Amino acid sequence: DIQMTQSPSSLSASVGDRVTITCRASQDISNSLAWFQQRPGRAPKSLIYAASNLQSGVPSKFSGSGSGTDFTLTISSLQPEDFATYYCQQYKSYPLTFGGGTKVEIK
Amino acid sequence: EVQLVESGGVLVQPGGSLRLSCAASGFTFSDHYMDWVRQAPGKGLEWVARTRNKANSYTTEYAASVKGRFTISRDGSKNSLYLQMNSLKTEDTAIYYCVRVHRDCYFDYWGQGTLVTVSS
Repeated sequence: DIQMTQSPSSLSASVGDRVTITCRASQDISNSLAWFQQRPGRAPKSLIYAASNLQSGVPSKFSGSGSGTDFTLTISSLQPEDFATYYCQQYKSYPLTFGGGTKVEIK
Repeated sequence: EVQLVESGGVLVQPGGSLRLSCAASGFTFSDHYMDWVRQAPGKGLEWVARTRNKANSYTTEYAASVKGRFTISRDGSKNSLYLQMNSLKTEDTAIYYCVRVHRDCYFDYWGQGTLVTVSS
């Protein structure tokens, strides 16, 4: 199985801050990497696919990069609605696997 | 508008069975792979199962943790996805999400989830 490791597991930031979350795969997954946002008590929402492509309707303050084993999600200017937990996921091979999540909290 | 609405989550005893349903609308159901993903209370996301589309004969894949106990299926006439869950264990307690898969194999739409609690 491909292990997905996210860091940090949590972070505190202020409104307007730029935030970067990293995700590392245990083997090469090319660009088969997605990012999801989950607000408290809500279902996950798809943000990014193929490592760097925004899902329809997702604001451009979100961006993704990387290929192979190392990936990043960046939020350019945190807003109150962005405080949530973020997950990466590989869809290169079965079983599909998720990172452990990064909780972004208000400082 | 794509909509996925899960139902069927209840409290069930260990060893019991349950069938979850997901009603899909707003897209051509037979064209898409469909998945179940779960989330135990306070934990992260875990992929559970997949059924491929009509073009791929609706073949299936499972996580090792549920293989042999859970069965994913679909009914095109009802635009519905199902998860038959047998021999339930306490560790199966989770919110179960129905997820649509884009033709390029990434998740695009999620349902709101249905809670399954396995407890005596």
